[in-house]
Amino acid sequence: NAGVTQTPKFQVLKTGQSMTLQCAQDMNHNSMYWYRQDPGMGLRLIYYSASEGTTDKGEVPNGYNVSRLNKREFSLRLESAAPSQTSVYFCASRDGQQETQYFGPGTRLLVL
Amino acid sequence: AQKITQTQPGMFVQEKEAVTLDCTYDTSDPSYGLFWYKQPSSGEMIFLIYQGSYDQQNATEGRYSLNFQKARKSANLVISASQLGDSAMYFCAISKTTDSWGKLQFGAGTQVVVTP
Repeated sequence: NAGVTQTPKFQVLKTGQSMTLQCAQDMNHNSMYWYRQDPGMGLRLIYYSASEGTTDKGEVPNGYNVSRLNKREFSLRLESAAPSQTSVYFCASRDGQQETQYFGPGTRLLVL
Repeated sequence: AQKITQTQPGMFVQEKEAVTLDCTYDTSDPSYGLFWYKQPSSGEMIFLIYQGSYDQQNATEGRYSLNFQKARKSANLVISASQLGDSAMYFCAISKTTDSWGKLQFGAGTQVVVTP
């Protein structure tokens, strides 16, 4: 099992460009999450998907959109990147029967 | 709303000694879960241990144990017999278990450096 995978690992964007961060899990988990981590801080929830076909806003959703493509995949889109979105982005998934979330390796995004 | 506080920004610990990382939380939810994650310098988030608010016993996982004091709203992580590989950032997190969403609220983290 690969667990939770994320692509790309690293990306540099110019202000105003768009991009989609991809996340996939092979653990048959129902719930998936996107977090961001800024320097010196813990992770903050951007969006989550409690189950296939549903998505909802987390703590810091502004400037982002998400798509739960199927049970395995949950993508995060930046329509018009801003320097304030420079961060490390983590995807996570959780089995509804357990509380623990398992994280992907992260995507490091730099917006110039 | 839930809040997690980790008051120790950084700690040095000698190899083979035990270290306690503090975590206090604030929540009005009757049912919640507490988590500790480890983030080494390579950046990944590694799950260490979980404690449910109604669990009667403190959680343990190998060298990790959680000192859960519900009345004081604290969930300290104890790492016994520290190893060099324990050097990392450690995050405490809380989730509400009365819904099925599992959203995590993280603290700011504690940096641990294990010295020989």
